[in-house]
This record gives sequence, C-alpha cells and structure tokens, in this order.
Amino acid sequence: SQTIHQWPATLVQPVGSPLSLECTVEGTSNPNLYWYRQAAGRGLQLLFYSVGIGQISSEVPQNLSASRPQDRQFILSSKKLLLSDSGFYLCALSPVLKLGMNTEAFFGQGTRLTVV
Amino acid sequence: GQSLEQPSEVTAVEGAIVQINCTYQTSGFYGLSWYQQHDGGAPTFLSYNGLDGLEETGRFSSFLSRSDSYGYLLLQELQMKDSASYFCAVSHTGGFKTIFGAGTRLFVKA
Repeated sequence: SQTIHQWPATLVQPVGSPLSLECTVEGTSNPNLYWYRQAAGRGLQLLFYSVGIGQISSEVPQNLSASRPQDRQFILSSKKLLLSDSGFYLCALSPVLKLGMNTEAFFGQGTRLTVV
Repeated sequence: GQSLEQPSEVTAVEGAIVQINCTYQTSGFYGLSWYQQHDGGAPTFLSYNGLDGLEETGRFSSFLSRSDSYGYLLLQELQMKDSASYFCAVSHTGGFKTIFGAGTRLFVKA
C-alpha cells in the first residue's frame, strides 16, 4: 500500500525567509502528486499538481513554486515567505489507474506552517 | 470555472442519520469523492461515485446524480467519533485534478 512521508509536522518561519517542504511517497510508481493548502477552518486549496518528473501545473498564482525531481519526490518552495503563506500544507497522491482516472487521493499528515 | 457548494455546518444527535449535500459546477466532470478530516489531521478517503446512483460502505453511503450535478453523503447510526469535517471533491477527465469543496463541519451530540 502507498505511504506518504511529509515533514516537518510544524514549522515557524519569519517573513521573508525561504521555504522548502518535502514529500516522498512509497508503494506506488508514477503517481499523480499534489500540494494543497488549508487555512484554519477552511477547505483545501489546490496549489500544484504533477503527473510526472519535471511536470508541474500551477493552479493559483502565488508566492510558491513546486518541483518534482524524482518520481516519488515532490517539493514545495518559496524564496520569500509572506504572512499569507501561513496554513496547513498537505501533500497527496493519486495512483494512476488509467489515463485520466483519478478516484482516490491519499494524504500525508501535513505541515502546519506559521509565518511570523 | 469550477465550484462546489456544501453546507458549512450540520448538527445531529448520536444514533441519527445525517445527509450532507454537495452541488458542483465544472467542465470535464469525472467523479465525486468524499473525505473526512478530524481536527488537526489529514483528510481520509470515504467514498467515490463515478456513475449515478448509490454507493454503500458500512455506515456511510454516497449518491451521485450527474444530470443534476448533485451528490450527497449519508451517515447512519451516528457516533461521537463521526464529529469531523466532510469534504466533497470533484475529479476531472484528462486534467488529473481533484478540487475540494469548503467542507461541512458535522457536530454529533449525545
């Protein structure tokens, strides 16, 4: 079964500092990978998704970027954090059953980022 | 554009049945999923509907009507541990995206 490793669990960063959140997956090959952000008490906002190495699609223009250097590694980055970047960041995967078929997403345990 | 609408809060008593509705507007609709999230935790998958009709998984059932762009999650024999947020999510054909609704907070009272 697939496993998602996401770290750190919590992070406090000053405004203007860089950010790097890493997500690695096990138990599956060539998954679709996602970064979501969740503000306190709110829904999940899709930030980026990737269907393969080096392939990144951005959903919302923002202060963040994503990269997929390896099949099972997905990284979320920022050069300079803003206060509005605070939130709960979740990495997710969806196994590729058949082209275009996304049914179930599995989530990592998330990183709670507070920008101060 | 894409949008999903679900109630922000629902309250029910232990042992009761509750229905959480979800309406959506999107192009390239493929399927509707439901996720549960407890406070501080990650969302976990509950159910998926790719075709019209009812899907049953234990105490949880989910329904989809593609012609009405509507679905619901039905929770039976409510337990206190069912208190959580529930999200509907839409999957898209060819786009590999899953978009989530804002979530419904379910409070189960004794």
